[in-house]
Amino acid sequence: DVVMTQTPLSLPVTLGQPASISCRSSQSLAHSDGHTYLSWFQQRPGQPPRLLIYEISNRFSGVPDRFSGSGAGTDFTLKITRVEAEDVGVYYCMQATQFPWTFGQGTKVDFK
Amino acid sequence: EVYLLESGGDLVKPGGSLRLSCAASGFRFSNYAMNWVRQTPGTGLEWVSTIDVRIANTHYAGSVQGRFTISRDNAKNTVFLHMYNLRAEDTAVYYCTTRLGSHFDYWGQGTPVTVSP
Repeated sequence: DVVMTQTPLSLPVTLGQPASISCRSSQSLAHSDGHTYLSWFQQRPGQPPRLLIYEISNRFSGVPDRFSGSGAGTDFTLKITRVEAEDVGVYYCMQATQFPWTFGQGTKVDFK
Repeated sequence: EVYLLESGGDLVKPGGSLRLSCAASGFRFSNYAMNWVRQTPGTGLEWVSTIDVRIANTHYAGSVQGRFTISRDNAKNTVFLHMYNLRAEDTAVYYCTTRLGSHFDYWGQGTPVTVSP
């Protein structure tokens, strides 16, 4: 199975400041069809997860442009340019390149 | 608007069975793959199963292979998860998710399953 490792697991942030989460996969996520199926999800307290970014860097419908994704192969990053109050929650990366699809452990983002 | 409504979660004894349902609306259900994902406080998010547009094409996590069966009724816009021989470690909130354009792009609110004596 592809293991997804996120760092850090806890990220204290400051309102208006940038934040960054790393996700590393145990194998390349480049699919034979030319796509790299790496997604990022946000889960606010008491809510189901919500898709933020798909295929490394594509923002899903309605996602603010302060969220961006980057990376390739086995190393990926989610960045928030300026953290807002509504960004508190847990963030997960996920790979859907190879079955079984797997998630990272989650990074809890909260204010200092 | 895409809407997913899960139901069927319950308290069940180890070794018991349960059927979860997910009613979908807001898109042409028969044209898209559907998935189940579960979440436990201890182990985070876990993909459980996927059923493609072609009903015979299904995939399962190793932890549920042979015990869970995913199915769909395109006439009723519903996907099911049949769970057998349930174990304590199957205790989780079970979410139904779509792949309309990208994996897990829409989620339901989830239905809780508790496996306990």
